[in-house]
Amino acid sequence: GQQLNQSPQSMFIQEGEDVSMNCTSSSIFNTWLWYKQDPGEGPVLLIALYKAGELTSNGRLTAQFGITRKDSFLNISASIPSDVGIYFCAGPYLNYGGATNKLIFGTGTLLAVQP
Amino acid sequence: ETGVTQTPRHLVMGMTNKKSLKCEQHLGHNAMYWYKQSAKKPLELMFVYNFKEQTENNSVPSRFSPECPNSSHLFLHLHTLQPEDSALYLCASSQALLHLRGNIQYFGAGTRLSVL
Repeated sequence: GQQLNQSPQSMFIQEGEDVSMNCTSSSIFNTWLWYKQDPGEGPVLLIALYKAGELTSNGRLTAQFGITRKDSFLNISASIPSDVGIYFCAGPYLNYGGATNKLIFGTGTLLAVQP
Repeated sequence: ETGVTQTPRHLVMGMTNKKSLKCEQHLGHNAMYWYKQSAKKPLELMFVYNFKEQTENNSVPSRFSPECPNSSHLFLHLHTLQPEDSALYLCASSQALLHLRGNIQYFGAGTRLSVL
């Protein structure tokens, strides 16, 4: 079945450093979503990607839809303390009719930023 | 503010209690979801409602009973829960599937449930 593997599982960095994380699957996805979850809150959408090769930015965040459609990357530049949280990738579960409204979530990357 | 409101934010209940979680969305969506998030586990989809009809029950124990009276409101009724049911329960909403692309889900802040 469709699964999403995120790496790394956790990152502990200094303020100002750049961050890279990725999400991979053995299955093809036609949409990639990146969410961030702050402690004690629900996930909030950061970036949505709809086309293979697409590169999209949201402030200091940049995400890319892999050309093979089996992976996606999220980069954060010049990290700040409020970047702390868990970052999830997600994609729609596909069946023979196309995308469904069920999302498959990755296992998450925990980011800690030391001032 | 994501447009999805969950109440209460925190709930402590005994194993013999009956309680309900409430979710309301103000986004005009017609699909709503319940997820369970336990420590160190991926988000687990529990239920999906499309146009008020339940379209997914992901093998959830019967002590969890969802209710969707209209497209804007979703409830999760709880009874005789177990301590292992303690978790963050998240509600989400989206447009129901209209095209080949997946639809973005918007989440509430969650209800932190502790079962004693």
